[in-house]
Amino acid sequence: KAGVTQTPRYLIKTRGQQVTLSCSPISGHRSVSWYQQTPGQGLQFLFEYFSETQRNKGNFPGRFSGRQFSNSRSEMNVSTLELGDSALYLCASSLDQDRDNTEAFFGQGTRLTVV
Amino acid sequence: AQSVAQPEDQVNVAEGNPLTVKCTYSVSGNPYLFWYVQYPNRGLQFLLKYITGDNLVKGSYGFEAEFNKSQTSFHLKKPSALVSDSALYFCAVRALHKAAGNKLTFGGGTRVLVKP
Repeated sequence: KAGVTQTPRYLIKTRGQQVTLSCSPISGHRSVSWYQQTPGQGLQFLFEYFSETQRNKGNFPGRFSGRQFSNSRSEMNVSTLELGDSALYLCASSLDQDRDNTEAFFGQGTRLTVV
Repeated sequence: AQSVAQPEDQVNVAEGNPLTVKCTYSVSGNPYLFWYVQYPNRGLQFLLKYITGDNLVKGSYGFEAEFNKSQTSFHLKKPSALVSDSALYFCAVRALHKAAGNKLTFGGGTRVLVKP
């Protein structure tokens, strides 16, 4: 079955602009999580959506937001971009949390460069 | 709060030799533990997990990991490393309580270099 699909793969934006990233989870997965990966901070959790509701949120400023649609696809938005937002943004999909056998499957990521 | 430590930034090993990547964790209650691997410009690939049961967990590509509750460790091992195992390895923990959702906390990663 198809894996996690993230679009676009690469983005270059200017400081102050806003950006929207998209993630299509594995069919049947209702949980979508987003992570930011940078050389300095490593992998950091942004937020998780489950059944169109934000279930968990990491320690990021309000410029980072997300949403999930009824088909489980998710988008994340970053407004007023800063140079420090340059990173690889990874999306992960999982089965329902309540099931024991659940591991996160990751997309290939969106590489965002802010100039 | 949960945390993961990978004490080695890089591990060098000769092809055919055993490979070990270390991981220790801190979490309230029982943990779910995972290992992921990342190749350049790619996302994370799932290797194996510990949920419950046997402390020795077998995963993809000949990797295994040993859960040690008393030492709060979950070290990744491979009996005979291949050059193609050269990559960045991440250990992650997920808490079991409902409020944690599917949130994963990752270690800083360990770069493995397998030399021919």
